[in-house]
Formats: sequence, structure tokens, C-alpha cells
Amino acid sequence: TQLLEQSPQFLSIQEGENLTVYCNSSSVFSSLQWYRQEPGEGPVLLVTVVTGGEVKKLKRLTFQFGDARKDSSLHITAAQPGDTGLYLCAGRNTGGFKTIFGAGTRLFVKA
Amino acid sequence: EAGVAQSPRYKIIEKRQSVAFWCNPISGHATLYWYQQILGQGPKLLIQFQNNGVVDDSQLPKDRFSAERLKGVDSTLKIQPAKLEDSAVYLCASSLGDLFNEQFFGPGTRLTVL
Repeated sequence: TQLLEQSPQFLSIQEGENLTVYCNSSSVFSSLQWYRQEPGEGPVLLVTVVTGGEVKKLKRLTFQFGDARKDSSLHITAAQPGDTGLYLCAGRNTGGFKTIFGAGTRLFVKA
Repeated sequence: EAGVAQSPRYKIIEKRQSVAFWCNPISGHATLYWYQQILGQGPKLLIQFQNNGVVDDSQLPKDRFSAERLKGVDSTLKIQPAKLEDSAVYLCASSLGDLFNEQFFGPGTRLTVL
């Protein structure tokens, strides 16, 4: 069974700080997505990474897919209260169509 | 463009009762997903439709859960009878296809089973 482990589970930081959250697996994924979910809402896609070693930037967010396509990280620079939410990674199994979600990292950015 | 619609938003029932959730995906999206998200966990796929056919229902507890997408558009998820452990948010999502296109999620239905 493919599993995605996210760490840390919870993170509370001050506005302006930098942070990195991780998504790890023992399995290889063909691609990986990061979603952000706010209370009472469904997840919203932030990025999709496909190639091992790929780095994508979205304003203050930097996403990296591991060379072996087993892990990924999300780095936020100068966090803002608006970044508060649940960050979920979702991996697509190789050769298939199944998407597996991690349990998420709950981020709280204090003003 | 209208997003994924779900109803009801909240539902409270007693164990052993039945409940149904409705989802209307984004127009033109062939793939529809139902997820269960228990508090503190990530979404778990229950069933995936491609048009009106089931692609994956391996994690659907078929003794109590059922889902249909008769005309390949909107979908209904039913629980009969409900158990306490079914308390969760039920998310519906849709995508253009199943080739790992972006999934667009609805706001979810929060179910509480007492």
C-alpha cells in the first residue's frame, strides 16, 4: 500500500518567518500535487510536479520533487496570515490513475 | 464558471439511519470523485467515476455505501445504515479526465452520526 507521510503535522509561526513542510513515501510516484485547504472548504490545487528534481515557484512558495520521485517539499518564504491552512500532498501511483493524499500539515501564521 | 456543487452542507443523523449526499460537478468534467475526510486526516478516495462508469471503488465499504452517476453528470453517495465512524466530511471533486488533471473540489458535506 502506498502511503504519503507529511511532516510536521502542525506548525505555528510568526508572520515573516520561513518554513518548509515535507511529504515522504517509500514508493515512487509518477507525479505529485500540493493542495491547500481552508476550514469549511475543499482543497485547492497549488502545483503539480512531474519530473524528478523539478522545482517550481509560485510567488513566495517553492515546491520541489525529489530526484527519485518519492518525496517532495514545500517552502514558504516570509509567511503571511493568509497562508494559514491545511497543506496536503497527493501522489499519483506509477502506471495507474489512483491518487493518494497525505494527512496534511496544518499551518497557522500569527500576525 | 460555476464550481462543484454539493448538498447538503451539514447533516446530523443517528446511527443506523440512512443519508444521501448530492454532487454536481463542473460542466464538461468527465471524472468525478467522492472522498471521505475524517478530522485530522487527508481525503480518502471512496469511488471514482469516468463518465457514468466506475473506475475505482476499492476503498468503498460496499456493505453500507453506494454511489451512482447515472447520466454521467451529477452523482449521489448514500450510506445505509450509518455508523458512528462515518462521521466525516464527504468531498466531491471533478476533473476533465483521469490523467492527473487538476481536481476541483466542492465545499463538502459535514456528516455527524450520533
